[in-house]
Amino acid sequence: DTAVSQTPKYLVTQMGNDKSIKCEQNLGHDTMYWYKQDSKKFLKIMFSYNNKELIINETVPNRFSPKSPDKAHLNLHINSLELGDSAVYFCASSQDPWTGTKYEQYFGPGTRLTVT
Amino acid sequence: AQSVTQPDIHITVSEGASLELRCNYSYGATPYLFWYVQSPGQGLQLLLKYFSGDTLVQGIKGFEAEFKRSQSSFNLRKPSVHWSDAAEYFCAVGLSNFGNEKLTFGTGTRLTIIP
Repeated sequence: DTAVSQTPKYLVTQMGNDKSIKCEQNLGHDTMYWYKQDSKKFLKIMFSYNNKELIINETVPNRFSPKSPDKAHLNLHINSLELGDSAVYFCASSQDPWTGTKYEQYFGPGTRLTVT
Repeated sequence: AQSVTQPDIHITVSEGASLELRCNYSYGATPYLFWYVQSPGQGLQLLLKYFSGDTLVQGIKGFEAEFKRSQSSFNLRKPSVHWSDAAEYFCAVGLSNFGNEKLTFGTGTRLTIIP
């Protein structure tokens, strides 16, 4: 009964490839997020979706494209992978996008992406 | 823009000793304040939060934090640490009004527990 799950947990790929990371939450939340954690553990938001609609789109290369087929799923597709994309990517969700509870976020276990 | 500073990159504490992790924020109004913990190889877990009201908030796992407006601080404390508390701790700030709403994290403090 995992709350926020991500697949795969590890992803090793070569430069130039295209890959996807999947995220699912079973909490009934309306808002989902993607974060990137670099090698120094710095955590930065990339995107957020509320009920399948894009809310936050930080300065992220357009090689990164989120897709939300329904409010329980938020996938991240990355085109033409580069060495600098190596990081841990976290999915998160929260219940209410209109009050402070949107910051009470539940995180997935992370996907460690290594680009060689 | 809001920012969060965690001045201690790494702290080592003996098991059973008390702990205080520092967090300072920069924001004009009172923000929403949070502490998250990340165990090795895991995602982040919410420890506690401050929205308004009592400035001393209790969280899970025996942690507490105190909001001090005059010092723009939200330090995390625990009276007696356990070996299982070894992890990375992140302070985070969220805006309290509309516009550029996102959770901004500090750079984290790594906690090591020695026997």
